[in-house]
Amino acid sequence: GENVEQHPSTLSVQEGDSAVIKCTYSDSASNYFPWYKQELGKGPQLIIDIRSNVGEKKDQRIAVTLNKTAKHFSLHITETQPEDSAVYFCAASKGDTGRRALTFGSGTRLQVQP
Amino acid sequence: SQTIHQWPATLVQPVGSPLSLECTVEGTSNPNLYWYRQAAGRGLQLLFYSVGIGQISSEVPQNLSASRPQDRQFILSSKKLLLSDSGFYLCAWFKQGARTEAFFGQGTRLTVV
Repeated sequence: GENVEQHPSTLSVQEGDSAVIKCTYSDSASNYFPWYKQELGKGPQLIIDIRSNVGEKKDQRIAVTLNKTAKHFSLHITETQPEDSAVYFCAASKGDTGRRALTFGSGTRLQVQP
Repeated sequence: SQTIHQWPATLVQPVGSPLSLECTVEGTSNPNLYWYRQAAGRGLQLLFYSVGIGQISSEVPQNLSASRPQDRQFILSSKKLLLSDSGFYLCAWFKQGARTEAFFGQGTRLTVV
């Protein structure tokens, strides 16, 4: 089955700096890669995603890149703000149902220092 | 629109007591439903999932069980709680398709004392 690894586990940046979170996946058939943000005491929420036919996608200060050959994808946050502090999860999917519907990474705790 | 409700938000229970956490989904039929546990605000451990009424798949053998008595209702239970059952429990509904999206409930913070 799919295995998603996420690094780093914790990341601390100064406000205004950029943050990068990286994930690798094992199943070359995976074709959809979402990112979720979990604020303290809440459930994760989808913030951006990318499909395997696209190399990069941007939405204001956040962007996701995908390298299918290397089976890597990354989340980039520019001009970080204190409200970006949260736990971020990457995930991979190939359209299966059941337990393989979405495979999550282990999460990255991002702390933006004001 | 589709929404997912999970309750209670927080729960403090003594060791050996029973547990029942409820999750309901609105605005969709025959949803794929999931229970996750999250320790120390980090990784998501898949506990159970259900693709239909009465259909439960268990991912991790443990002190918990799940049931799906109705199409849009998913319940997490325990007959006797252990200290190790403490954690943050999340119910999720997966919207299947080319872009499988997970919608999570607000979570339940369970503390077993």
